Amino acid sequence: SAVISQKPSRDICQRGTSLTIQCQVDSQVTMMFWYRQQPGQSLTLIATANQGSEATYESGFVIDKFPISRPNLTFSTLTVSNMSPEDSSIYLCSVSTGGYGYTFGSGTRLTVV
Amino acid sequence: GEDVEQSLFLSVREGDSSVINCTYTDSSSTYLYWYKQEPGAGLQLLTYIFSNMDMKQDQRLTVLLNKKDKHLSLRIADTQTGDSAIYFCAEESEGNSGYALNFGKGTSLLVTP
Repeated sequence: SAVISQKPSRDICQRGTSLTIQCQVDSQVTMMFWYRQQPGQSLTLIATANQGSEATYESGFVIDKFPISRPNLTFSTLTVSNMSPEDSSIYLCSVSTGGYGYTFGSGTRLTVV
Repeated sequence: GEDVEQSLFLSVREGDSSVINCTYTDSSSTYLYWYKQEPGAGLQLLTYIFSNMDMKQDQRLTVLLNKKDKHLSLRIADTQTGDSAIYFCAEESEGNSGYALNFGKGTSLLVTP
């Protein structure tokens, strides 16, 4: 299965600033996914990023708040913009490995103060 | 979307069997998954089951699927302290952006010596 390198692994940020999270995959994948895991909660899909097209956002998530880039088949970024304490979460990227199975990065633990 | 339901906590003694239950929502899900999340770590795919199966065994893990009731369970035999983690049930379902995983809230398994 694919191996995902996600960074940073954690960060503490001031409110009002932005943080960009990177995911690098060791193989070419069509679809990459970004999830949010709020404290004590399940994972919620933010958006799906396909190379060469705009990301598709789930209900409750907007591009201005969570802009996503997908410049090629092995890399994607998620930016959390104009952060507030409510954005404190773990953010995870994931790829579909085809056939079955979704592989996840190790996550970015974000704390907004 | 609708919720994938799991019990939140389970405590077992080392050496006993653990059974984690899940009720999913999408009857058209092709694959159903169990993921494990250890403290501070990302998600590790434990096992999956194809929807035309009713049971799958993989070493200490047994997955049972009841499609009629949309019920999925994960049995861990001879549970060890290293099995203490959060276990997420997930269904593959179609959202705004195509197929992605819809997760339950996770079951926190505590294994005591």
